Amino acid sequence: SQQGEEDPQALSIQEGENATMNCSYKTSINNLQWYRQNSGRGLVHLILIRSNEREKHSGRLRVTLDTSKKSSSLLITASRAADTASYFCATTNAGGTSYGKLTFGQGTILTVHP
Amino acid sequence: EAQVTQNPRYLITVTGKKLTVTCSQNMNHEYMSWYRQDPGLGLRQIYYSMNVEVTDKGDVPEGYKVSRKEKRNFPLILESPSPNQTSLYFCASTTFPLWDTQYFGPGTRLTVL
Repeated sequence: SQQGEEDPQALSIQEGENATMNCSYKTSINNLQWYRQNSGRGLVHLILIRSNEREKHSGRLRVTLDTSKKSSSLLITASRAADTASYFCATTNAGGTSYGKLTFGQGTILTVHP
Repeated sequence: EAQVTQNPRYLITVTGKKLTVTCSQNMNHEYMSWYRQDPGLGLRQIYYSMNVEVTDKGDVPEGYKVSRKEKRNFPLILESPSPNQTSLYFCASTTFPLWDTQYFGPGTRLTVL
């Protein structure tokens, strides 16, 4: 079954508010990445957090990783209308026969209203 | 400029007519992969390659073939396309084994009639 499942599936907020998206996964991972996709276009890498890291920041983005709960969260602070997009988490397996495999979640659709 | 290129960007074809979607990267990445994106199903990995002449199946390899004869190229081949292969396809590359950022191509929208 697919791992890297995001929650919520859709999120609608006002400009200036914070947006939090969660991602859960099932197997041991090497790292977890978050990507953004504007409608029908290519994916843009946002941030990567390694399995031995707990928190990472990049501009208005904050990512946390809890390997004991197999979950991660992406926080976008002070959101803007331009943040409207789909956000995906993706995990790389740590080992075994699936080493090298990258698994994406189904994504969270974020809408930021001006 | 570091990039992943895909061609064609749009393709409409008919059932059974063999086609190839090309993917090329200029970053000397070892790892390359193909994904398909369908509404409600997210991105699913089709095939990946950790280096030249090394390829492995992803989650949905049926109906697809790949080859990795050169480090920079990783073409996706549909020997006999069917309508259920209508999708948006992405190629991506990254370094290995550092598992750094995946760089994605712009996507190929394929319609099989």
